[in-house]
Amino acid sequence: EPEVTQTPSHQVTQMGQEVILRCVPISNHLYFYWYRQILGQKVEFLVSFYNNEISEKSEIFDDQFSVERPDGSNFTLKIRSTKLEDSAMYFCASNRQGTNEKLFFGSGTQLSVL
Amino acid sequence: TQLLEQSPQFLSIQEGENLTVYCNSSSVFSSLQWYRQEPGEGPVLLVTVVTGGEVKKLKRLTFQFGDARKDSSLHITAAQPGDTGLYLCAGVQGAQKLVFGQGTRLTINP
Repeated sequence: EPEVTQTPSHQVTQMGQEVILRCVPISNHLYFYWYRQILGQKVEFLVSFYNNEISEKSEIFDDQFSVERPDGSNFTLKIRSTKLEDSAMYFCASNRQGTNEKLFFGSGTQLSVL
Repeated sequence: TQLLEQSPQFLSIQEGENLTVYCNSSSVFSSLQWYRQEPGEGPVLLVTVVTGGEVKKLKRLTFQFGDARKDSSLHITAAQPGDTGLYLCAGVQGAQKLVFGQGTRLTINP
């Protein structure tokens, strides 16, 4: 079965540094998402992306966050100036027709901000 | 934001026993999904329930959506050690967003 691929699997950064988390969604999918999961807490929605623009974002997704689809295959999440509380597992997901259809999640990037 | 509460948060039972996990909200969802998440992996969809009162079966797993579409349950019959994992319910909010419960960590002891 096709997979959503995320790199790196682990990222350690210093507070205040910029990080870019990378995702390759499944090739014929049109909707792309980022979720995060702080250790011991719920999986939380960050942002959805369709037709080269953000279609919805949560209150977590403030000005420090941005997403981009720089080419036909990659989907990135950038955190401009990381904070300690950004430490979490970040999951990329994709599907063809929006949330009512099966969502395919990647294995996640564990971000640790020191 | 609509909230989903799962119970219990932790459950440890013996192989062969039956169990039920609950997912409750005060809000109505258009549909509700159940996921299973293994350590170091993303959630994997088990089932989507859409219609109030709907029941879906996946081998020994039975999923039910409440009549009012505010709650759901997952029942496992004759649990096996391979059922061990984190089970998440998620409600569909709008067209683009899933709201997750906090999960039920299930351990089946041989």
